[in-house]
Amino acid sequence: GNSVTQMEGPVTLSEEAFLTINCTYTATGYPSLFWYVQYPGEGLQLLLKATKADDKGSNKGFEATYRKETTSFHLEKGSVQVSDSAVYFCALNPAYGQNFVFGPGTRLSVLP
Amino acid sequence: EAEVAQSPRYKITEKSQAVAFWCDPISGHATLYWYRQILGQGPELLVQFQDESVVDDSQLPKDRFSAERLKGVDSTLKIQPAELGDSAMYLCASSFAGTGNGYTFGSGTRLTVV
Repeated sequence: GNSVTQMEGPVTLSEEAFLTINCTYTATGYPSLFWYVQYPGEGLQLLLKATKADDKGSNKGFEATYRKETTSFHLEKGSVQVSDSAVYFCALNPAYGQNFVFGPGTRLSVLP
Repeated sequence: EAEVAQSPRYKITEKSQAVAFWCDPISGHATLYWYRQILGQGPELLVQFQDESVVDDSQLPKDRFSAERLKGVDSTLKIQPAELGDSAMYLCASSFAGTGNGYTFGSGTRLTVV
């Protein structure tokens, strides 16, 4: 079946530190991959996406590369800010018209 | 920027009572989803609509949950009777065609059953 695994949180970093949140997936076929972010009390917001192998999604300083050989889509940011504190969800869309599968989320706390 | 509207933002209800949530998707989005997100977990799909038709409700607890989208635009999710275990965030999302561009989520309704 289709599934998403994320590194357990919480992840606590100091401002300007480098961030990596690991995400690996299991899927049949060729899924699209997404990262969503959820700020406290809010819904999920699309952060970035990649639709095929070797694609790199990027937004607001965050990046993730679709690695088919390792079935991974790790989220990275070179210098985090306090405002990046949120829960980050990795997700996959198995195929066009099918529903998303979400990971359990990773909570990030950035300290000033 | 277009948004998915949900109301209410917060709801506290006693167990065994009925509760309803409303969602208005982005104009032109034919596909609408209701998700439940238990604290500390990722969202789980409850029901998917394509226009006014239910496409997938396999995870909807139909003994107490119901969902409708009568005119293929806004949607209502109802729980009757509510149970303590229903306490969660209920998220609505919509998409234009398929999901290649991802969903757009609303801000959610935080339900607390006491």
